[in-house]
Amino acid sequence: GIQVEQSPPDLILQEGANSTLRCNFSDSVNNLQWFHQNPWGQLINLFYIPSGTKQNGRLSATTVATERYSLLYISSSQTTDSGVYFCAVPYSGAGSYQLTFGKGTKLSVIP
Amino acid sequence: DAGITQSPRHKVTETGTPVTLRCHQTENHRYMYWYRQDPGHGLRLIHYSYGVKDTDKGEVSDGYSVSRSKTEDFLLTLESATSSQTSVYFCAISESGGNTIYFGEGSWLTVV
Repeated sequence: GIQVEQSPPDLILQEGANSTLRCNFSDSVNNLQWFHQNPWGQLINLFYIPSGTKQNGRLSATTVATERYSLLYISSSQTTDSGVYFCAVPYSGAGSYQLTFGKGTKLSVIP
Repeated sequence: DAGITQSPRHKVTETGTPVTLRCHQTENHRYMYWYRQDPGHGLRLIHYSYGVKDTDKGEVSDGYSVSRSKTEDFLLTLESATSSQTSVYFCAISESGGNTIYFGEGSWLTVV
């Protein structure tokens, strides 16, 4: 099946710093989503971004499908950005609704 | 926030007992999913549904069954709970296949 690798696995930032999280995938995809899991376990969909760039406040994401990677940018980080960030892509050869998740990047933003 | 309610939110049960988790949505979305989340394995799809009475297996379906008799409800049953099924279970919905997916708040299940 498709492989999804996220980097870095862990990231510690000072409040106000910027960061870039990366998601590499091993096969072509028609759908990629980014999620944030907060320290209480809640999973929030951040972006649906099969290609191109999208922005939502301090967060933006870019997917380059032809090169099989996506980037999530967090600017002016805040303590509420802490948690784990996951990317997810469809299984190879399966319906596009069956998602494979990466193992996540754990972000800790310290005051 | 997507209108997804999971129940129960926390449960402790004994090995060998049946357990049913319920997911209720108010969004009238066609697709519903059950995932489990475990350390070292991340999120894995158990079963999904693409309509009333239409369900299919995901990556880790052994030991689980599902039912969807109404658009708004998707039930996950552990027929005979085992300790390996101790996990956090998330329900999710999407309007159509391949569309944005929204998660419920999770159900913490401990099998002792």
